[in-house]
Amino acid sequence: DSGVTQTPKHLITATGQRVTLRCSPRSGDLSVYWYQQSLDQGLQFLIQYYNGEERAKGNILERFSAQQFPDLHSELNLSSLELGDSALYFCASNYDGNQETQYFGPGTRLLVL
Amino acid sequence: QKEVEQDPGPLSVPEGAIVSLNCTYSNSAFQYFMWYRQYSRKGPELLMYTYSSGNKEDGRFTAQVDKSSKYISLFIRDSQPSDSATYLCAMSAGTQGGSEKLVFGKGTKLTVNP
Repeated sequence: DSGVTQTPKHLITATGQRVTLRCSPRSGDLSVYWYQQSLDQGLQFLIQYYNGEERAKGNILERFSAQQFPDLHSELNLSSLELGDSALYFCASNYDGNQETQYFGPGTRLLVL
Repeated sequence: QKEVEQDPGPLSVPEGAIVSLNCTYSNSAFQYFMWYRQYSRKGPELLMYTYSSGNKEDGRFTAQVDKSSKYISLFIRDSQPSDSATYLCAMSAGTQGGSEKLVFGKGTKLTVNP
């Protein structure tokens, strides 16, 4: 158990809908990362927050947004969902915000029908 | 050319075998190299972390980095059925390299048969 928690574990929704994924980092960690994992693309970095501020951006679609709250938990918002957004979404965290060592949560499995 | 290439396998070996997993990359700015292990329906777990070139050993696991060839390897000695998982290589240029993101290979699925 990495200490990173994610909710919900599973999410089934319809195209065009909006969902919110939640992540609580390990105790003491200041940085949160979001990833998308699909069979064809592998693990893709979406976005990083450090102590409430956006630090790095990866292949995140404009329909997706994220934020990190004062208590350091983070939410990933996915809107206007498409079938291709079906994937595993992982959150990871670490203390110093350097990308090299991250602790991953168990993931949220999203299915868009 | 993709930044990181990893043979997806699957790779099936008998218990006790030596396993070799490899990744190649194209970005010469990469200087931090990691191996993650991902069990089915779980998040990736950091297994090995290496800075720059050279070898690093941790128990039955050895990570090698050859920056001149842009090639990294993970060796597993005396493989066990509990090693059955997908192994992901990952690398980054680090903050000073101007690239903040960690780039992952697609993973190699390993099965160790008892």
